[in-house]
Amino acid sequence: QKEVEQNSGPLSVPEGAIASLNCTYSDRVSQSFFWYRQYSGKSPELIMSIYSNGDKEDGRFTAQLNKASQYVSLLIRDSQPSDSATYLCAVNWVGNTGKLIFGQGTTLQVKP
Amino acid sequence: KAGVTQTPRYLIKTRGQQVTLSCSPISGHRSVSWYQQTPGQGLQFLFEYFSETQRNKGNFPGRFSGRQFSNSRSEMNVSTLELGDSALYLCASSTSRTGTSYGYTFGSGTRLTVV
Repeated sequence: QKEVEQNSGPLSVPEGAIASLNCTYSDRVSQSFFWYRQYSGKSPELIMSIYSNGDKEDGRFTAQLNKASQYVSLLIRDSQPSDSATYLCAVNWVGNTGKLIFGQGTTLQVKP
Repeated sequence: KAGVTQTPRYLIKTRGQQVTLSCSPISGHRSVSWYQQTPGQGLQFLFEYFSETQRNKGNFPGRFSGRQFSNSRSEMNVSTLELGDSALYLCASSTSRTGTSYGYTFGSGTRLTVV
């Protein structure tokens, strides 16, 4: 079992819809959770970080963390074609300084 | 504020050669991590440096090494290149003063092709 798992997709949503991206992780003492966006041929860009259970909102993005169920999700409201990219979930475990474990990424396609 | 700068952007090397990649972190960032990204394996952690000390290392062979200088700039070296080392090598920096990851900002990467 991989430490951080994501559905590779592609996840296809119409423009203006809510895109829901999910990530599950193995049972360790986790500390920090991140969502990165990566456009084709580009490097990952940090879009959200979350450290405690609950929701965190930033503009059209909402990250949700549930440590008891070992999942973290990203909601993108009012999806735009420019949101089409691969979204990477990353986890930092306690005691693993500076090391992020990445999922394989979910490809999101927003259709006009 | 300048971002994370990686040089060179592209490299083509022959099997058996060695290569050195450079990374300049965001000003004030003292933690620098390196990752390898391939289509098959995704993003994999190589190592992390803070104040010139390697604090963490991934599961890569000893051919992969790195170092950090007093100005926080970092280099990674790959010796005896293999075809499988062809990948995008990404450097990322963070403040990470207490060891807690506050999120890393990535550079544009170095695309290494081994022929």
